[in-house]
Amino acid sequence: DTGVSQDPRHKITKRGQNVTFRCDPISEHNRLYWYRQTLGQGPEFLTYFQNEAQLEKSRLLSDRFSAERPKGSFSTLEIQRTEQGDSAMYLCASSPPKDNFETQYFGPGTRLLVL
Amino acid sequence: AQKVTQAQTEISVVEKEDVTLDCVYETRDTTYYLFWYKQPPSGELVFLIRRNSFDEQNEISGRYSWNFQKSTSSFNFTITASQVVDSAVYFCALSEVSGGYNKLIFGAGTRLAVHP
Repeated sequence: DTGVSQDPRHKITKRGQNVTFRCDPISEHNRLYWYRQTLGQGPEFLTYFQNEAQLEKSRLLSDRFSAERPKGSFSTLEIQRTEQGDSAMYLCASSPPKDNFETQYFGPGTRLLVL
Repeated sequence: AQKVTQAQTEISVVEKEDVTLDCVYETRDTTYYLFWYKQPPSGELVFLIRRNSFDEQNEISGRYSWNFQKSTSSFNFTITASQVVDSAVYFCALSEVSGGYNKLIFGAGTRLAVHP
């Protein structure tokens, strides 16, 4: 079984630019989560998809952030007009459609640096 | 509010020492799950264990063991005979079921350094 994959692994951008990250979950996992992790902290929840529906967005997700999962498979997270405070590791996780407490399996993350 | 506290920011041990990582949680839910994840330098969070709130039996997996005590709201993790490959950041997490899905609340992590 292939794990969760994320692309790119690293991204350096200038303030004000737009960036987009991609997450491919484990096949047949219908639940997909995005988290953000800043230096020295644990991951913080950003948003959740069940199939193609985005069911929850954290208040951490400002208007500059948008996430999609158009066909219920891969997901994208876009940040518009990046700010230095957006520098973080963006982690994607997926879980199978068994019950609400199913384990989330994480990808390797995309490390974003905004200059 | 749901909260996870990992009071130990960094722990340094010499190989073959036993080490315990502490985790204390707060929740009003009667049904919840607790998790431990390992984050090596590569960055990927590796799942180690999941434990539900109704099962207080300790669990052992090789050199790893977990002690869940509901009375003290703790879910501690012990590595026996530590090895250099155990060096990583370890996160304890609590599930918060909201709207039919499982949102994880993480602690700040404990960085473990195992020296040869």
